[in-house]
Amino acid sequence: GAVVSQHPSWVICKSGTSVKIECRSLDFQATTMFWYRQFPKQSLMLMATSNEGSKATYEQGVEKDKFLINHASLTLSTLTVTSAHPEDSSFYICSTYRDYGYTFGSGTRLTVV
Amino acid sequence: QKEVEQNSGPLSVPEGAIASLNCTYSDRGSQSFFWYRQYSGKSPELIMFIYSNGDKEDGRFTAQLNKASQYVSLLIRDSQPSDSATYLCAVMGAAGNKLTFGGGTRVLVKP
Repeated sequence: GAVVSQHPSWVICKSGTSVKIECRSLDFQATTMFWYRQFPKQSLMLMATSNEGSKATYEQGVEKDKFLINHASLTLSTLTVTSAHPEDSSFYICSTYRDYGYTFGSGTRLTVV
Repeated sequence: QKEVEQNSGPLSVPEGAIASLNCTYSDRGSQSFFWYRQYSGKSPELIMFIYSNGDKEDGRFTAQLNKASQYVSLLIRDSQPSDSATYLCAVMGAAGNKLTFGGGTRVLVKP
């Protein structure tokens, strides 16, 4: 099946710094990558949809200048949380779609202190 | 009204019993429906998907879809302690390929 490799699996950063999360599709070309955020005991909330070679589409309420998404190649999409604050602490998950359904990265646990 | 609704649980079932999970959705034009299992601290893993009205069986799992009632369910037969997890219902709407997730139902299977 399709494999999406997500790194890092966890990261702790200081408030005000930036953190980059990478998702790589290992065995296929992912033209679209979805980025989700999940707070404790809550469900996944779609943040943005990135398409290779074009600007990402952000969901309502998600700050595009804070959550920078780059999808420069068919195998790599990145999410950068800029000027992170404690309220950005969450579980971030990427996902892509293939003909049989959606596959998810392993997730990144971000803790901002 | 939430777009995809699930009972948050926990749903407690004895080992070997059937767990029944329900999900309702608001977008009548929704096309595809997915059930994911998520263990604590892990990302979701696909259990099964269903597109057509009726039942779809895969091993111990059966998904049931009723588009007229905007209702999709998941049955887990012969529940095992390893089935203890949060089960997420996800719906792909008519507008595109975005998934909308329900809040999840936590299932506890007691030995």
